[in-house]
Amino acid sequence: RKEVEQDPGPFNVPEGATVAFNCTYSNSASQSFFWYRQDCRKEPKLLMSVYSSGNEDGRFTAQLNRASQYISLLIRDSKLSDSATYLCVVIKGGSYIPTFGRGTSLIVHP
Amino acid sequence: DVKVTQSSRYLVKRTGEKVFLECVQDMDHENMFWYRQDPGLGLRLIYFSYDVKMKEKGDIPEGYSVSREKKERFSLILESASTNQTSMYLCASMGPNQPQHFGDGTRLSIL
Repeated sequence: RKEVEQDPGPFNVPEGATVAFNCTYSNSASQSFFWYRQDCRKEPKLLMSVYSSGNEDGRFTAQLNRASQYISLLIRDSKLSDSATYLCVVIKGGSYIPTFGRGTSLIVHP
Repeated sequence: DVKVTQSSRYLVKRTGEKVFLECVQDMDHENMFWYRQDPGLGLRLIYFSYDVKMKEKGDIPEGYSVSREKKERFSLILESASTNQTSMYLCASMGPNQPQHFGDGTRLSIL
């Protein structure tokens, strides 16, 4: 089993839709979690950290479920500009080496 | 804001050449990383460094070496470039308990 798994998609949604991605991780010692966004032919950019209690940043909500070992990203009121690949990142406790998922592709259409 | 600068956005080299990719960060981070990214394979870690002159192999170090002579600079070296090293190369730096910050990437083509 891969350490960090994501559904590659693509998720194809209309503008204004709500869409959610999950990311599962295999190592229960994982301690830090992040979502990155990567546009085509560009570098990954930090979207948001994921905190135990869940956190929100505008239209984006991130949640952590330690019991089931997954994190999620919810995007409300999707915009065309949200079209990108979303990468899940997990760091094991005591380590500084991030493990990246392969990403989930989102396409928002008019 | 963290700034990670890679020396070239696009680079074309020939098979057998020695290739240097440079990366500089301005946040005094101890940890720096080199990845390559290929379609369908995601980000793969080549080498990382946790301090000056310290380096560790990542998942795919074969055919590569690195140099960290100064804290702000981490260089990736392709000892003898081959066509299967054509890829997007990404450098990242990271402070303690912080997320990584990436440079713009270098699209390297080996002919």
